[in-house]
Amino acid sequence: NAGVTQTPKFRVLKTGQSMTLLCAQDMNHEYMYWYRQDPGMGLRLIHYSVGEGTTAKGEVPDGYNVSRLKKQNFLLGLESAAPSQTSVYFCASAAISDTQYFGPGTRLTVL
Amino acid sequence: AQRVTQPEKLLSVFKGAPVELKCNYSYSGSPELFWYVQYSRQRLQLLLRHISRESIKGFTADLNKGETSFHLKKPFAQEEDSAMYYCALSGPGNQFYFGTGTSLTVIP
Repeated sequence: NAGVTQTPKFRVLKTGQSMTLLCAQDMNHEYMYWYRQDPGMGLRLIHYSVGEGTTAKGEVPDGYNVSRLKKQNFLLGLESAAPSQTSVYFCASAAISDTQYFGPGTRLTVL
Repeated sequence: AQRVTQPEKLLSVFKGAPVELKCNYSYSGSPELFWYVQYSRQRLQLLLRHISRESIKGFTADLNKGETSFHLKKPFAQEEDSAMYYCALSGPGNQFYFGTGTSLTVIP
């Protein structure tokens, strides 16, 4: 089992560019999450999904979109990147009523 | 509203000394609480959860509903314990709420 994987590991964007982060899990988990991690602010939930075809907003959803077309994949999109979106992004998945398993993170810099 | 508070951003202790990382929460129902650890440039991983009542790497945490706390403790800190620690609460719909984290440094 690979667990939770994220692609890419690093990315540098210019302001206004778009990109998609991919999260994949092979544990057949129902729930998937996207967080951003910033110094002094801990982990903040961007969007999450409680099952294939569903998505919901978290604490800081503005500027991001997500899709969960397949149960094992959860995509995070930035349509027009801004410097404020420079962060480390973590994906996580969980079974019902269980703990979360995290991916290795994607370090994104927006210039 | 659900909230998790970790009052200490930074904590330094000497090797062999006891360590306590504080976590307080607010939640209207019956909470499920976790401690996650993140070693340097690694992914977050579960350290322990309150329902399992187990000790992992010498760490324990007791849920105190009266004080709404879930402090993490270890009697003798080791250098390899240096890491970022996050307290988290699981709420409705399996949504997790994380504290802002405490960076623990164990001084040799």
